[in-house]
Amino acid sequence: DIQMTQSPSPLSASVGDRVTITCRASQSMSNYLNWYQQKPGKAPKLLIYAASTLQTGVPSRFSGSGSGTDFTLTISSLQPEDFATYYCQQSYSTPWTFGQGTRVEIK
Amino acid sequence: EVQLVESGGGLIQPGGSLRLSCAASEFTVSSNHMNWVRQAPGKGLEWVSLIYSGGSTYYADSVKGRFTISRDNSKNTLYLQMNSLITEDTAVYYCARHRGGFDLWGQGTLVTVSS
Repeated sequence: DIQMTQSPSPLSASVGDRVTITCRASQSMSNYLNWYQQKPGKAPKLLIYAASTLQTGVPSRFSGSGSGTDFTLTISSLQPEDFATYYCQQSYSTPWTFGQGTRVEIK
Repeated sequence: EVQLVESGGGLIQPGGSLRLSCAASEFTVSSNHMNWVRQAPGKGLEWVSLIYSGGSTYYADSVKGRFTISRDNSKNTLYLQMNSLITEDTAVYYCARHRGGFDLWGQGTLVTVSS
């Protein structure tokens, strides 16, 4: 199984900050990496797929990069509605696996 | 509106069975790869099961041999049959469509396994 490790957790930031979340895979998986945002009591929402492709309707302040084992999610200017938990997920091989989540909280 | 609506959750005793349903609107379940994902209270996301559009199925080791994923094309509905439930299966269960990433999720249904 591919293990996904996110850092940091949690992450304290202020509105307007540039925020970067890192996801590391236990083995190389090309660009089969997806990012989700989840708010309390809600289903996750797909932000980025294939490491860097922005899902339709997601604001352009979100971006993703990486390939192989190391990936990043960047929020260029944190907005109040961005305080949430973020998960990476690999879709390279079953069992699909998620990172443990990064909670972005208000500093 | 394109959506997924889960149902079938509830309180069940250990060792019991439950079937979750996930009804799709405005798209065809059988033409898509579909997944079940769960989230235990206060915990992260855990993938449970996958059915490819071609019909192949896959399971997490934690549920293999106990859970069965299936679909009813006439009802455009995805199912998860859960047998031999244990307390560790307590979670919100989500169905999710798989296009690139999991691009469409249901609202979730809570399964509580407790005596």
